[in-house]
Amino acid sequence: DIVMTQSPLSLPVTPGEPASISCRSSQSLLHSNGYTYLDWYLQKPGKSPQLLIYLGSNRASGVPDRFSGSGSGTDFTLKISRVEAGDVGVYYCMQALQPPFTFGPGTRVVIK
Amino acid sequence: QVQLVQSGAEVKKPGASVKVSCKASGYTFINYPIHWVRQAPGQRLEWMGWINAGNGNRKYSQKFQGRLTITRDTSARTAYMELSFLRSDDTAVYYCARMSGPLEAFDFWGQGTMVTVSS
Repeated sequence: DIVMTQSPLSLPVTPGEPASISCRSSQSLLHSNGYTYLDWYLQKPGKSPQLLIYLGSNRASGVPDRFSGSGSGTDFTLKISRVEAGDVGVYYCMQALQPPFTFGPGTRVVIK
Repeated sequence: QVQLVQSGAEVKKPGASVKVSCKASGYTFINYPIHWVRQAPGQRLEWMGWINAGNGNRKYSQKFQGRLTITRDTSARTAYMELSFLRSDDTAVYYCARMSGPLEAFDFWGQGTMVTVSS
């Protein structure tokens, strides 16, 4: 199975400031079709996860352009250019390259 | 609008089975696979398996082989997840999620179903 790790596991942020979350996979997520099968989800408190970024760097419908995904191979980053209070929750990366699809441990973003 | 509506919370005894439903609306049901993901208290999300809503083909995580059955009823636009031989560590919130082919990601999720296994 592909193992996903994230850092940090907890991230205190100041509204208006940028934030960055790192995700690493135990093997490359580059598919033979040229796409990278790495997604980012946000689980707000008491809610179901919601899709933020798909295929490494594509924002899902309705996701503000404050959120961006980057990276390749085994190393990926989610960046929030200016954090807002509504961005609190747990952020997960997930590999969709091969079953079993696996998630990172999550990064809990809290407001300072 | 796309919606996945799951059945309500369940309390089961160890060794029993649970069946959770996921009713889809707002899109063509047979065109999108349905996946099941669970989250034990304080734990990361865990993928369980999926079903092709069109042809019924399915694949399960090795971890749940022999205990997990995913089915669907196309006329009811509903997918089902049945987990048998329940243990206390199966206590979790169970989610269904639609996978979008072009996105290769779960673009819509159900609201979650809490399953508690306790004697």
